[in-house]
Formats: sequence, structure tokens, C-alpha cells
Amino acid sequence: GENVEQHPSTLSVQEGDSAVIKCTYSDSASNYFPWYKQELGKRPQLIIDIRSNVGEKKDQRIAVTLNKTAKHFSLHITETQPEDSAVYFCAASPWGGGTSYGKLTFGQGTILTVHP
Amino acid sequence: NAGVTQTPKFQVLKTGQSMTLQCAQDMNHNSMYWYRQDPGMGLRLIYYSASEGTTDKGEVPNGYNVSRLNKREFSLRLESAAPSQTSVYFCASTPPRGHGNTIYFGEGSWLTVV
Repeated sequence: GENVEQHPSTLSVQEGDSAVIKCTYSDSASNYFPWYKQELGKRPQLIIDIRSNVGEKKDQRIAVTLNKTAKHFSLHITETQPEDSAVYFCAASPWGGGTSYGKLTFGQGTILTVHP
Repeated sequence: NAGVTQTPKFQVLKTGQSMTLQCAQDMNHNSMYWYRQDPGMGLRLIYYSASEGTTDKGEVPNGYNVSRLNKREFSLRLESAAPSQTSVYFCASTPPRGHGNTIYFGEGSWLTVV
């Protein structure tokens, strides 16, 4: 089955700095890579996602890059703000051929702390 | 539209007791899922149902059973609860292909087995 490794496990930055979280996956059949933000006691919230036919996607301060050859993808947050503090999860899913993209394999999570 | 609704939100069980977590979605989604999240970890897929009448095992199915009662409802049953099943359980659903790619999560059910 799929295995997703996420690094670092904790990340501490100053407000305004950039934050980068990296994930690797093992199954070449995976082609959908979402990133989730989870606040304490809350459900995961999708912040950005990317399909394998795209190398990069950006949404305001958040961007995701994908290197399918190397089987890794990264989340980039620029101009971080204290409200960005949360746990971030990457995930991978084989989307297509009748398989639903909801069959996600999650990374272990990164606790991001943004200091004012 | 309530989205994905899970009950109960909190439950304490004794080892060996049984219980059922209920999940319902009102978005006419075909696929539904049950995940568990242990402290400090990502979610792991327990079971999923690609469509009404079908269920399949995910990554960690041992100790659980599921029922896709109809298109709206997907329940998760613990027949004999164990302390290792202490976790937060999330139900989720996804729309049919071609209707977006958002995964809708419920608010979670906190289960403690003592």
C-alpha cells in the first residue's frame, strides 16, 4: 500500500517568514495530493491540492509543488501569520479507474507555530 | 445542508462493550469513508463505501464492521471495544466524479475505551 512520509514534524517560524513542509510517497499510482490544516479539536480543512498532471499550484500565500519522478511534493506558505499556526497534513490518493479520491493516505503531520 | 453529521460526538466505553458510530450526509454523495486519528498522527482509513451496497476495507479495518444502510448513511460498529480503539473517528463523503474533488469531513467523534 501507499506510504506517505512528512517532514519536519515541528516547524517554528517568525511572523512574515516562509514555511516549507515536505512529503514523499511510495506508490506511483497516487495522482492526487491534498494538503490539510487542522486546528485543535477540529476536522481537517483542505487548503490546497494538486493533481499529478500539474507541477505547481498557487493560491494567494499558499503553493504546492509536485515532483512525480522523485515522488515528493511540498507545501509553501509565504508571509506567515499567527493564524497559520496549526497542524498540517499532506495526503496522497490514487484517483481514477473507478477508485475514489477519498481513499487518502496521510502523512504524520507538521505542527507549525508562527511567532508574532 | 448539514453536510456530514456524526453521532455521538463523545463516548466513553468499557473494554468489551460494543457501540455504533452513525454518519449521515445530505449531499447525495456516492462515496463515504470512516477514518480514525490517533493523537499526534494523521488520519488512517478504516473502511469505505464507494457506492450504496458496497463496502471495502481500508488500511486499519481490524476490530470494526461497517454498514452502508442507504445512500445517506454509513455506520461504523465496534463489536468488542479495546483500549487501542481509543481515537477520534471522522466520517467523510465525496461527490461523484465530475462534480468537484472536495472531501467533506464530519466534525469527529471522540471515543475513549477504558
